[in-house]
Amino acid sequence: TQLLEQSPQFLSIQEGENLTVYCNSSSVFSSLQWYRQEPGEGPVLLVTVVTGGEVKKLKRLTFQFGDARKDSSLHITAAQPGDTGLYLCAGGRNAGNMLTFGGGTRLMVKP
Amino acid sequence: SAVISQKPSRDICQRGTSLTIQCQVDSQVTMMFWYRQQPGQSLTLIATANQGSEATYESGFVIDKFPISRPNLTFSTLTVSNMSPEDSSIYLCSVAAIDWMDEQFFGPGTRLTVL
Repeated sequence: TQLLEQSPQFLSIQEGENLTVYCNSSSVFSSLQWYRQEPGEGPVLLVTVVTGGEVKKLKRLTFQFGDARKDSSLHITAAQPGDTGLYLCAGGRNAGNMLTFGGGTRLMVKP
Repeated sequence: SAVISQKPSRDICQRGTSLTIQCQVDSQVTMMFWYRQQPGQSLTLIATANQGSEATYESGFVIDKFPISRPNLTFSTLTVSNMSPEDSSIYLCSVAAIDWMDEQFFGPGTRLTVL
């Protein structure tokens, strides 16, 4: 069984603070996706990383794929209330588009 | 990417009844998946809907309880049969294509409450 351990599970911070969410596994993945889900909606794909050591930036969000392609992180700078939601990492193995999902991180950013 | 719609968006059902959830995508896709999610928690894969053949179910899920259809490359249904309160959850469909680098795109979900 390929497991993706996501941490922290819950995070409540004040607007303007920085935060990092981690996604770790003992397995190698061919790709790593990050999704954000807001209440009442489906998960929305934020980014896909495929190369070990790859860093991608999406405005205030920075995503990194570990050199060994076993772990990833999501860093948010100067968090805003609009960043509130459930963040999910998911690993792909290039096997029929199947994904292994992490347990999720519930983020609340207070104004 | 793709635009996915689900019907119904939510429903409240009585114990012992069945509900069929529809998933429609705006383009032909290779793969369609059905997930279950408790609010605020991660996703659990129920099955992969295969076009023209029986769905592939994950451990803990069976066809009698969750029959799935996929008559073409843009449409699938999931039925939750003989419902109990334990079936109350959010049901999500997602789609993927061979050349999408393992990416999946999700519908808005169906929130089911069983009384």
